[in-house]
Amino acid sequence: SQKIEQNSEALNIQEGKTATLTCNYTNYSPAYLQWYRQDPGRGPVFLLLIRENEKEKRKERLKVTFDTTLKQSLFHITASQPADSATYLCAPRRGNKLVFGAGTILRVKS
Amino acid sequence: GAVVSQHPSRVICKSGTSVKIECRSLDFQATTMFWYRQFPKQSLMLMATSNEGSKATYEQGVEKDKFLINHASLTLSTLTVTSAHPEDSSFYICSARPDRETEAFFGQGTRLTVV
Repeated sequence: SQKIEQNSEALNIQEGKTATLTCNYTNYSPAYLQWYRQDPGRGPVFLLLIRENEKEKRKERLKVTFDTTLKQSLFHITASQPADSATYLCAPRRGNKLVFGAGTILRVKS
Repeated sequence: GAVVSQHPSRVICKSGTSVKIECRSLDFQATTMFWYRQFPKQSLMLMATSNEGSKATYEQGVEKDKFLINHASLTLSTLTVTSAHPEDSSFYICSARPDRETEAFFGQGTRLTVV
């Protein structure tokens, strides 16, 4: 069955550093991979989408990579700020459904 | 980005009653909407795919008679939790996307508490 794995433990980093979050998937060949941010008690907010034929995508301080050979996506936040503290979800997709990983909690300390 | 509005944000109901949750795409049309459920400290679990003008497609293990989904128009889908019980208490979230090639946008979520 399809399996999506994200860092199970919370990631604690210092303000100004780069946060790197990992998403691995198995038994799956997604055409797209999406990253979302979720704050407590709120719905996910879309951040970035990367397609299977794209290696890397950037948006302001965010960067996502997609390695279909390793079956892995990395999500980077540069110059992190306390306001970046949240749960980050990866969601690979092929076909109609969007299925989520368990998410990684990021805590940025000032 | 596109806006998806979900209402209500919080609802408390008595055991045995039914609750309806609305999901609207405000600035785009969505032929497909999705309903998720999220338990504390867990990820989103897809419950069903809602298709405009046709029956919803439910994921394995989700009772279609308990979770009624209606996709009445290209901008509105509703989820009705029928004969709610305390174990139905959860965070319900809808999402929609303008077309198959774009990202999905999510509503704010509905916290349902059944007492």
